[in-house]
Amino acid sequence: NAGVTQTPKFRILKIGQSMTLQCTQDMNHNYMYWYRQDPGMGLKLIYYSVGAGITDKGEVPNGYNVSRSTTEDFPLRLELAAPSQTSVYFCASSYRMNTEAFFGQGTRLTVV
Amino acid sequence: AQSVSQHNHHVILSEAASLELGCNYSYGGTVNLFWYVQYPGQHLQLLLKYFSGDPLVKGIKGFEAEFIKSKFSFNLRKPSVQWSDTAEYFCAVNAGNNRKLIWGLGTSLAVNP
Repeated sequence: NAGVTQTPKFRILKIGQSMTLQCTQDMNHNYMYWYRQDPGMGLKLIYYSVGAGITDKGEVPNGYNVSRSTTEDFPLRLELAAPSQTSVYFCASSYRMNTEAFFGQGTRLTVV
Repeated sequence: AQSVSQHNHHVILSEAASLELGCNYSYGGTVNLFWYVQYPGQHLQLLLKYFSGDPLVKGIKGFEAEFIKSKFSFNLRKPSVQWSDTAEYFCAVNAGNNRKLIWGLGTSLAVNP
């Protein structure tokens, strides 16, 4: 029972580089989310998806892109990494918007 | 705008002390309420939730929370904390037709052995 799997767990990027954070879930959840967590700032929603082919912006979408080609996968793309994107990123999924969210282990990203 | 407020940002307790973490939200309609816990270096996991029915909700590891509609509150309690309860605790609210969970900023709890 894998749940929500994120890769990588750690990554260091140079300013201007790009990367994709992978997220996959095996619970057949329609809803998936990407959050960033910064110390003392709680969780900020970056993007979310209500099903394959449907994505929408959250609170802090600038500098990020997502796609949802399948129910299982919801990758997050950083095109031009900036120091402000140094954070811990969490992917999550849920059956409905108002049901329990299951989180991945997180990706700690540092942009230098 | 809807918001969730957690009053205590940092709490330090000794083992066996009682715990109460405050959570207030601003929304007048139907809400679904959650407490999540994040142990050091780990991902968030659900502690307990309230959708309807008995306003006193029991969760895992001896935690409970009480929904008081008139006070727009959903405070988390535990009668006797343990060192292993050291973690960050997040209150979250799903309000009405709003698609997104609204998160509090979290409360960092340190329990001294």
